[in-house]
Amino acid sequence: GESVGLHLPTLSVQEGDNSIINCAYSNSASDYFIWYKQESGKGPQFIIDIRSNMDKRQGQRVTVLLNKTVKHLSLQIAATQPGDSAVYFCAENTGRRALTFGSGTRLQVQP
Amino acid sequence: DGGITQSPKYLFRKEGQNVTLSCEQNLNHDAMYWYRQDPGQGLRLIYYSQIVNDFQKGDIAEGYSVSREKKESFPLTVTSAQKNPTAFYLCASSNRQGATVTYEQYFGPGTRLTVT
Repeated sequence: GESVGLHLPTLSVQEGDNSIINCAYSNSASDYFIWYKQESGKGPQFIIDIRSNMDKRQGQRVTVLLNKTVKHLSLQIAATQPGDSAVYFCAENTGRRALTFGSGTRLQVQP
Repeated sequence: DGGITQSPKYLFRKEGQNVTLSCEQNLNHDAMYWYRQDPGQGLRLIYYSQIVNDFQKGDIAEGYSVSREKKESFPLTVTSAQKNPTAFYLCASSNRQGATVTYEQYFGPGTRLTVT
């Protein structure tokens, strides 16, 4: 299928390294955030979420950090694998009962 | 096998024709959404529905229409009024969004529409 990330910022890492993908969100009133992974030609897949009353949440190999002071969200992937290569989107709930998505970052894992 | 289905995966139409994209879910979710994605872009919200027989415009609703007659189905019509309809269209569903609680959205595989 066609790539959905032709002109996206790209993060290139070596297999086994840790990856950090950053996202600046827009609305200081946002109370819920999600990270999605999207492979080429497919729909986004849920990775991890976090509510605004938390500043850190961990999943399997992934950690999301939330800094409300500077409206910044990050996704850390430990021991990055080739299967992690994809476009990653952050999304926020701005209060209208639907998510607002960021523009995405492409992660390329070099073997 | 629960999930969201979108059909077809690829769709081709001539300019000036309306086209309807299908989205069906068997997750018993109240809320459904349509997004558009262009190369190098994030997802932009077209329409969303929190409950049957109710829907709201998203950020880019012009040239699109929807209906929500059944809980399981949320078809999107791309009308001839949509100036740049060629895009990747994604449908999603979730539990109903509360005033202070938001639930993750589950996405279908997408339909790539090409209009020439």
